[in-house]
Amino acid sequence: GQNIDQPTEMTATEGAIVQINCTYQTSGFNGLFWYQQHAGEAPTFLSYNVLDGLEEKGRFSSFLSRSKGYSYLLLKELQMKDSASYLCAVPNQAGTALIFGKGTTLSVSS
Amino acid sequence: EAGAAQSPRYKIIEKRQSVAFWCNPISGHATLYWYQQILGQGPKLLIQFQNNGVVDDSQLPKDRFSAERLKGVDSTLKIQPAKLEDSAVYLCASSLLASGSDTQYFGPGTRLTVL
Repeated sequence: GQNIDQPTEMTATEGAIVQINCTYQTSGFNGLFWYQQHAGEAPTFLSYNVLDGLEEKGRFSSFLSRSKGYSYLLLKELQMKDSASYLCAVPNQAGTALIFGKGTTLSVSS
Repeated sequence: EAGAAQSPRYKIIEKRQSVAFWCNPISGHATLYWYQQILGQGPKLLIQFQNNGVVDDSQLPKDRFSAERLKGVDSTLKIQPAKLEDSAVYLCASSLLASGSDTQYFGPGTRLTVL
């Protein structure tokens, strides 16, 4: 079967760095996505990793280790607008759609 | 890139009533998904269309839920009759390809409350 685990909640202060972890079990691997979802809004694409290593995109970076079934999303120079839910997702066994984790709610305070 | 368009944004009904949601995907996107997101959970796939054909509806409660995508563009999701546990946000997403590795673009969702 497929399973995704990520922490339920995290808190941080403005200007800080936060790392949101995601572990997954999947039969066959076709990449890992991170989406951001503000309360009451649509999930929006942040990153897609298919190879091991760190990919940096502005203040956000995503890391993948396929051998460990592990990924993290790194957010630097946190801003209040980064308060949102962060969803980790992997393609399903058929490779046609996504299976999402429960999401990590990040609260950024001043 | 902006996501799929959805309506209505909010709907409140009583149990045993019926309800329908509409989705218009990004132009040119062949694949359309309907997800159910219960409060505090990640989205769960209900049904996936490739053009106007169904790719995966294994998690769709077919005794009460139905969906169609006539002409391979817009789609409607219907619930009849609704139950209390159907209270959730219904998200529509689309992608260019029928691959889980292709980025999906989500609409804002319809928040359904069943009383």
